[in-house]
Amino acid sequence: EPEVTQTPSHQVTQMGQEVILRCVPISNHLYFYWYRQILGQKVEFLVSFYNNEISEKSEIFDDQFSVERPDGSNFTLKIRSTKLEDSAMYFCASMRTGGSSTEAFFGQGTRLTVV
Amino acid sequence: AQSVSQHNHHVILSEAASLELGCNYSYGGTVNLFWYVQYPGQHLQLLLKYFSGDPLVKGIKGFEAEFIKSKFSFNLRKPSVQWSDTAEYFCAVRRSDNYGQNFVFGPGTRLSVLP
Repeated sequence: EPEVTQTPSHQVTQMGQEVILRCVPISNHLYFYWYRQILGQKVEFLVSFYNNEISEKSEIFDDQFSVERPDGSNFTLKIRSTKLEDSAMYFCASMRTGGSSTEAFFGQGTRLTVV
Repeated sequence: AQSVSQHNHHVILSEAASLELGCNYSYGGTVNLFWYVQYPGQHLQLLLKYFSGDPLVKGIKGFEAEFIKSKFSFNLRKPSVQWSDTAEYFCAVRRSDNYGQNFVFGPGTRLSVLP
């Protein structure tokens, strides 16, 4: 069964450093998402991406964050200068279409720890 | 803006007990509704979904949910829980009138099943 894969599974970084989280969505999917889950809290929407551009973003997704689909298969989330409060599990998701009968498939997540 | 609430933060049951987890959402338009499960250390997995039609939907592992439009609710049920059902359960809502609209997750309910 096709699945969304994320790398790395765990990343530790120092405050102020840049990190890139990588996701490989399911191959025929067109909509891509990043969510995050701070430990013990709910899953929060960060950004959605369609047709090579951001379609929607939350208040969390400020200028420190960016997304890219550099080669048609990977979907990356970059945090330019990490803060302690960026420590969370980051989930990538993809969806085949935006129609009303589709579900999102989630990756296993990247646990980001900022020290 | 949409919001999703889940009635219980933590539910503790013995094996074979019946389960009902509450979920309410706030949005007046047409929605798609989902329950996701997150087993310890794993990614979000879809349990079941409602798009249209029969408001009683059946999912994997013996779970079912009932959509009651007048109550804006989508409660999850299972007649007899097992120890392996111990996990975090998230209700999610997505507007079906806006392609690419992100999923809004509830805060989650932790289920602990005692052997």
